[in-house]
Amino acid sequence: GAVVSQHPSWVICKSGTSVKIECRSLDFQATTMFWYRQFPKQSLMLMATSNEGSKATYEQGVEKDKFLINHASLTLSTLTVTSAHPEDSSFYICSARIRQGETQYFGPGTRLLVL
Amino acid sequence: KQEVTQIPAALSVPEGENLVLNCSFTDSAIYNLQWFRQDPGKGLTSLLLIQSSQREQTSGRLNASLDKSSGRSTLYIAASQPGDSATYLCAVDTGGFKTIFGAGTRLFVKA
Repeated sequence: GAVVSQHPSWVICKSGTSVKIECRSLDFQATTMFWYRQFPKQSLMLMATSNEGSKATYEQGVEKDKFLINHASLTLSTLTVTSAHPEDSSFYICSARIRQGETQYFGPGTRLLVL
Repeated sequence: KQEVTQIPAALSVPEGENLVLNCSFTDSAIYNLQWFRQDPGKGLTSLLLIQSSQREQTSGRLNASLDKSSGRSTLYIAASQPGDSATYLCAVDTGGFKTIFGAGTRLFVKA
């Protein structure tokens, strides 16, 4: 089956530093990748949608300068949390989709803790 | 604006019981609806995907139905097992590039 990986699975960083999270589709090419944020005991909130080779589309309220998304290839998307602060601590999950209307395959998530 | 609601928020049942999880959405113009399972601290696992033209999908002990006109979907789990304990999320694909998730139902199956 289709597998999506994320790296790292856990990251602890100091306030003010930047953190990069990778999302890879291991055995398929994803035209679209999604980035979600999930707070404890809450559902997933879509942060942005990215298509390979084009700029990401951010949801309302998500700062594009703070959450930089790069979709460099059909198998890799990265999310960089710039100048991280404690309120950015969360569970970040990516998903990938081959084409519209089909299922999204989710990564295992990355837990970020900003001290 | 599409909103997705899941009821109940939490459910505790004894092993072997059949159960139904509910999902409702406000805008019937959907592309598809998907049910996911999430274990604590983990990502999501897709359970069933129902296209807008379909009425139901089945996989093993799971059966999901879709009634677009009433804005409802149900996930039926037969003969529940402790391993079914997880959070179940329904998600609506609104077309374009947006998927809206419900808040989930936390299921606990007691042995």
